[in-house]
Amino acid sequence: EVQLVQSGAEVKKPGESLKISCKGSGFTFTNYWIGWVRQMPGKGLEWMGIIYPGDSDTRYSPSFQGQVTISADKSISTASLQWSSLKASDTAMYYCARRATVTTNHFDYWGQGTLVTVSS
Amino acid sequence: SYELTQPPSVSVSPGQTARITCSGDALPKQYAYWYQQKPGQAPVLVICKDSERPSGIPERFSGSSSGTTVTLTISGVQAEDEADYYCQSADSSGTYWVFGGGTKLTVL
Repeated sequence: EVQLVQSGAEVKKPGESLKISCKGSGFTFTNYWIGWVRQMPGKGLEWMGIIYPGDSDTRYSPSFQGQVTISADKSISTASLQWSSLKASDTAMYYCARRATVTTNHFDYWGQGTLVTVSS
Repeated sequence: SYELTQPPSVSVSPGQTARITCSGDALPKQYAYWYQQKPGQAPVLVICKDSERPSGIPERFSGSSSGTTVTLTISGVQAEDEADYYCQSADSSGTYWVFGGGTKLTVL
């Protein structure tokens, strides 16, 4: 069974750093792109970027380039999303998701989401 | 940056047909995908490659494409279909993906 299990909810202060994770199982992690999607409170889905754990090839949405870092550790089948200095506007639910195939541009499996709250 | 445009809301009575549109300049070149999201849950894929229905998705869900607009159709809407629906596609190069703003489907 394909599963993406994300790390738990986080509460942080502005300026702090954070790394959240997404562990894949039930499939060959290095053969699938893993993406990240932001959903701010009461708002829609936003595509942040995507990584191929096989070779760490990474693409960022222009809106998120330089704001976050996407990485992957194929030895533990885990993708990560990190911030070096959080802002209140980073408060959101973050989902990881698996790209269905290398030739189609969509996600077929999603993690349960990680809620990040940034507040002083 | 590339954008997909959806109506913010659609309302239908049970048993009626709901149609949700999504417009984008690159849609003639790139497939569109539709996700359903219910409150407190992760999105679920309901239509892929404009009109294909993934395994386990009810037959009342269908998709179509015409030029720069794609349409999600839900025939015989049921109360359980009340949710937010998002289209998703990629820019003309296929490098950057994008979601539409989402449409809240209300079953009256």
